[in-house]
Amino acid sequence: AQRVTQPEKLLSVFKGAPVELKCNYSYSGSPELFWYVQYSRQRLQLLLRHISRESIKGFTADLNKGETSFHLKKPFAQEEDSAMYYCALRSGANNLFFGTGTRLTVIP
Amino acid sequence: DAGVTQSPTHLIKTRGQQVTLRCSPISGHKSVSWYQQVLGQGPQFIFQYYEKEERGRGNFPDRFSARQFPNYSSELNVNALLLGDSALYLCASSLEPDRINTEAFFGQGTRLTVV
Repeated sequence: AQRVTQPEKLLSVFKGAPVELKCNYSYSGSPELFWYVQYSRQRLQLLLRHISRESIKGFTADLNKGETSFHLKKPFAQEEDSAMYYCALRSGANNLFFGTGTRLTVIP
Repeated sequence: DAGVTQSPTHLIKTRGQQVTLRCSPISGHKSVSWYQQVLGQGPQFIFQYYEKEERGRGNFPDRFSARQFPNYSSELNVNALLLGDSALYLCASSLEPDRINTEAFFGQGTRLTVV
């Protein structure tokens, strides 16, 4: 069975500090992993996906199959990064399995 | 493009009642998925429809049902409502379900409160 674990419900960092949001997964197949973000009063939206190996808004995430992790990182946090972040695993026909989310607060 | 639209935005129902939630996907998107998000949890997959056929179903009781119409819009029905059905119900649309790396676009959700 698939599972996505985000161990931190809340994470606070100071502006300019590095930030890392942890995500671990369990899946028997080849995983497709995503990070979704929800800013205050906005809808859930895709931040980045592991296949694209892209950097969005300064965020990157590397899939580590050995550690079954897909941690989200940014070297210098900004106030506008404050949001709810969800790690998700795609299983089968576009069914997304989400973690419980991490609320990131960037302190000015 | 208005994106994925859901209606209503909020509603309150009594235990035992039935409810229908509606979703209009992004133009050109043929796949619609439904998720339930209970307070403090991540979205949980309920159904996926593609070309009017059910393509996937999550671990939800038979009280939950859905359908997709020829214009690709979708309805989620929940019968015999329980207090535990209170949640934010999200609809997501995508081009095709099996295309690798396909992106799901979410609506604003319908907040259902069962009293």
